[in-house]
Amino acid sequence: GESVGLHLPTLSVQEGDNSIINCAYSNSASDYFIWYKQESGKGPQFIIDIRSNMDKRQGQRVTVLLNKTVKHLSLQIAATQPGDSAVYFCAETANFGNEKLTFGTGTRLTIIP
Amino acid sequence: EAQVTQNPRYLITVTGKKLTVTCSQNMNHEYMSWYRQDPGLGLRQIYYSMNVEVTDKGDVPEGYKVSRKEKRNFPLILESPSPNQTSLYFCASRSSSYEQYFGPGTRLTVT
Repeated sequence: GESVGLHLPTLSVQEGDNSIINCAYSNSASDYFIWYKQESGKGPQFIIDIRSNMDKRQGQRVTVLLNKTVKHLSLQIAATQPGDSAVYFCAETANFGNEKLTFGTGTRLTIIP
Repeated sequence: EAQVTQNPRYLITVTGKKLTVTCSQNMNHEYMSWYRQDPGLGLRQIYYSMNVEVTDKGDVPEGYKVSRKEKRNFPLILESPSPNQTSLYFCASRSSSYEQYFGPGTRLTVT
């Protein structure tokens, strides 16, 4: 079946630097993408989303980039802080409005003080 | 406070003993889902519901049942739990946007 994966399982970044977390997807019909953050002992938390008709979307300190040609999604976090340490998941659905979501396996981001 | 609650938070049980994990949300959300999270596999959707009395299978529904008799509640039922259902379970809800709110998780161990 289709899968959503991540290039790197772990990433360590110096506090204050920018971080980039990558996600590859294989379903060419994927229509909608979401990034979640999961801190230790907690449930995932929505960060930012993007539709397939866009290639970039910005939030507060975060930017999501979508490259449909190579089926690649990235999450950029600017000026990382210790509170950014968490596991980050991408998720996708092939039909916006559809409740079925497929999640990636996650990347653990560690911020080095 | 807007939240999704799950109970119990931790449960150790034996094979075959029926159990129910409750999920409740206070945001009047139409959509609710159950996920399991396993190391190396990420979050996998078990069942979802798009409104009262409307439920459908996710990616890993085998061995689970759900019901949605009221908008706020979406219990997950394991009729005959087996050790391969040992996992961390999350309930989630959302309104018309995709900003899902997740519960705190239920860690289930089946021996």
